[in-house]
Amino acid sequence: VLTQFPLSQSVTLGQPASISCRSSESLVHSNRNIYLNWYQQRPGQSPRRLIYKVSVRDSGVPNRFSGTGSGTEFTLKISRVEAEDAGVYHCMQSTHWPPYTFGQGTRLEI
Amino acid sequence: QVQLQESGPGLVKPSGTLSLTCVVSGGYITMNHWWSWVRQPPGKGLEWLGEIYHSGETNYNPSFKSRLSISIDRSKNQFFLTLNFVTAADTAIYFCARASSGTYPNDGFNIWGHGTVVSVSS
Repeated sequence: VLTQFPLSQSVTLGQPASISCRSSESLVHSNRNIYLNWYQQRPGQSPRRLIYKVSVRDSGVPNRFSGTGSGTEFTLKISRVEAEDAGVYHCMQSTHWPPYTFGQGTRLEI
Repeated sequence: QVQLQESGPGLVKPSGTLSLTCVVSGGYITMNHWWSWVRQPPGKGLEWLGEIYHSGETNYNPSFKSRLSISIDRSKNQFFLTLNFVTAADTAIYFCARASSGTYPNDGFNIWGHGTVVSVSS
């Protein structure tokens, strides 16, 4: 089970934001990789993967987004939020597959 | 560039069957990727339903296994979802998505469709 917190956050433009994701079990695979992803879902849009393997940014993702963590505790940070960052952020694990599992989602208001 | 497009009835009656299609364009469904269905009930988080590989091999979320079937038509570059005995709890946006690879484990879903809204109501 993945638990995100907070479930909702309001951040002023230009300020940092941080979202946490906690797993009920270690997400370290036997190959020593951690398959923890972060997705952004803007209003009315489908999810978009931002980060995979805890900290690897997808192509085109601004470097103000960063992912950290190990084992069971993970964090998505936005160094300085912009208006376009508003939406819902989801963590997802693909270490213990199937099934893939998601967190409940965190709504970010700017 | 691979794109996915879902289609299906917007309204299904309770106890009926939900059938959805995902059309893959810009690439072949026989590429080395798992093809998934994910849903999002109103105001809630994402929920993975199941996946299929071009060989026909499937994996299902145990929560849906008894009433879910995913199939594929390689000649039409499409894959399908069939969910039986639907209730109001199955009302959601349904997305099809492509996993980053066909291996295990993989890095989740790097391509998503736009989603199709399904309501279960009499």
